[in-house]
Amino acid sequence: EDQVTQSPEALRLQEGESSSLNCSYTVSGLRGLFWYRQDPGKGPEFLFTLYSAGEEKEKERLKATLTKKESFLHITAPKPEDSATYLCAGLRAGNMLTFGGGTRLMVKP
Amino acid sequence: EADIYQTPRYLVIGTGKKITLECSQTMGHDKMYWYQQDPGMELHLIHYSYGVNSTEKGDLSSESTVSRIRTEHFPLTLESARPSHTSQYLCASSGPLGKDRYSEAFFGQGTRLTVV
Repeated sequence: EDQVTQSPEALRLQEGESSSLNCSYTVSGLRGLFWYRQDPGKGPEFLFTLYSAGEEKEKERLKATLTKKESFLHITAPKPEDSATYLCAGLRAGNMLTFGGGTRLMVKP
Repeated sequence: EADIYQTPRYLVIGTGKKITLECSQTMGHDKMYWYQQDPGMELHLIHYSYGVNSTEKGDLSSESTVSRIRTEHFPLTLESARPSHTSQYLCASSGPLGKDRYSEAFFGQGTRLTVV
């Protein structure tokens, strides 16, 4: 059964305190690993797609990496506006996403 | 910026009423999806469509139904709402596949449904 597990469930950081979010996956025939950001009461907003182990993508303070079993979202020197829930999803056959439960990130000033 | 719209944003309705949640996209995407998300929980796929006249059930069993008569429109209907249907419903669409690359799904803002 396809499964995506994210950890931790919640993370509290001080502004400027770098950290990493983990996404481990068992998706048969994985075709891509997606990261989304979701703010309260809104739909997910696309951040990155990773296709192969060793691939990295960066956007501002965020960097996503991928291995054969997991993906990491590294947050460097976060700001309060980075507070959100970060969702990881594996893309399987049929162009369908299997989502993890998310990591709720809170960055305090 | 994604051009996918859901209405209404919030809906409070009585048990037994028929409801339709609207979803429209202006990007010409062939694939559209409905996800259900309870507060603090993960998204679960309940319906998807590969194009006009194509609809399939997703991973999570749902009493709702969908239709796809036009490319841009993918409404979700509940014939008789119940309190167990209270949740957030998110619509998404994705575009054509490229060579070895897959289009990300663009999401609407969601409809928060409360059945009393």
